[in-house]
Amino acid sequence: EIVLTQSPATLSLSPGERVSLSCRASENVNGYLAWYRQKPGQAPRLLIYDASKRATGIPARFSGRGSGTDFTLTITSLEPEDFAVYYCQQRSNWPPGRLTFGQGTRLEIK
Amino acid sequence: EVQLVESGGGLVQPGGSLRLSCVASGFTLSIYAMSWVRQAPGKGLEWVSVVSGSGGSTYYADSVKGRFTISRDNSKSTIYLQMNSLRGEDTAVYYCAKDKDYSTSFPIGYFDYWGQGTLVTVSS
Repeated sequence: EIVLTQSPATLSLSPGERVSLSCRASENVNGYLAWYRQKPGQAPRLLIYDASKRATGIPARFSGRGSGTDFTLTITSLEPEDFAVYYCQQRSNWPPGRLTFGQGTRLEIK
Repeated sequence: EVQLVESGGGLVQPGGSLRLSCVASGFTLSIYAMSWVRQAPGKGLEWVSVVSGSGGSTYYADSVKGRFTISRDNSKSTIYLQMNSLRGEDTAVYYCAKDKDYSTSFPIGYFDYWGQGTLVTVSS
């Protein structure tokens, strides 16, 4: 099973700031990595897939990069709606392998 | 507009059964694989199961294999999750999620639309 480790667990920032979130895989995921944002009480929303491709309707302030085992989600200027929990997810060798999510990074307002 | 609406959650005793439903609209359901993803209270996301567009292929997380069964009825625009032998650790919000792209072979494994979720509580 590929384990995804996100860091940090929590970040306290202000609107307008730039932030980078990290996701590290226990083995190579061949670029098959996505990022989701989950606001309180809502379902997750796909932001980035295949490590760096923005999903439909996602603003340009969101970008993803990385390969192999190390990936980053960057938000260039935080908007109020960006204070939420972010999850990375891998789908390498799935199915029948395991599709797994990271444990999440919470962005909170300072 | 794509919509996914789950139902069927509730309180069930350990060892009991529930069947969840997810009604889809706004897209051609039969060409997309569909998954169930769950989230225990205050916890992260866990993929549970996927069914191919035709319903001919299904896959499960090890944690539910042998206890849960995913199926679909494209004529009714509905995905199902039959959950048997439920345990306390199955307590979660269960989301129905649509694959981002259609595929005639393997599911894609990125989810671009999610339902609002239905809460399953397993407790005596």
